[in-house]
Amino acid sequence: EADIYQTPRYLVIGTGKKITLECSQTMGHDKMYWYQQDPGMELHLIHYSYGVNSTEKGDLSSESTVSRIRTEHFPLTLESARPSHTSQYLCASSDPGQGSTGELFFGEGSRLTVL
Amino acid sequence: KNQVEQSPQSLIILEGKNCTLQCNYTVSPFSNLRWYKQDTGRGPVSLTIMTFSENTKSNGRYTATLDADTKQSSLHITASQLSDSASYICVVSDRGSTLGRLYFGRGTQLTVWP
Repeated sequence: EADIYQTPRYLVIGTGKKITLECSQTMGHDKMYWYQQDPGMELHLIHYSYGVNSTEKGDLSSESTVSRIRTEHFPLTLESARPSHTSQYLCASSDPGQGSTGELFFGEGSRLTVL
Repeated sequence: KNQVEQSPQSLIILEGKNCTLQCNYTVSPFSNLRWYKQDTGRGPVSLTIMTFSENTKSNGRYTATLDADTKQSSLHITASQLSDSASYICVVSDRGSTLGRLYFGRGTQLTVWP
């Protein structure tokens, strides 16, 4: 069982609201990721981090922002939510250490609906 | 065009039957290929990893194969159970674990009926 947690699991909000999706892991992994997943589509990387104070944009353009102040915490923020942001957001971490096989450990996801 | 293609898109089988899911990729260079299982409403969980030199690897009732020459992988599920109902995602890495980029397939949605 992976030790990576996401909150909230489900969120329904109105357009224009600011939201933060929380992600925490207790495995001490340096690398963390945010993916966006829509039904029937592949996961798209929107943000990643190699460690504290390191954040990078992923392949999919996103209006969200992330921060990495602590190793275990990687929150994602939308300043002004729109219906186009409706999606499933998955947080993941991996151990980049020597001998690691690069397995991703995923949280259970945050399903966001913007009305 | 996605560099990882999975087939079929969806599959329905009866409990106890076997099935095989396919993954074709064009990713190059190739480091490894993973199969993940994603239950509805949950995050994906790794089932198995295949590296270039491996042809077959088993994890309980799941057996993965890899043909690096034809860039094809399959996931065979034996004696299916209701709990096997899930989406199975093929993920290919193009380099080592710290630098590699991951390429995701769209998944095969498997439904097992009693």
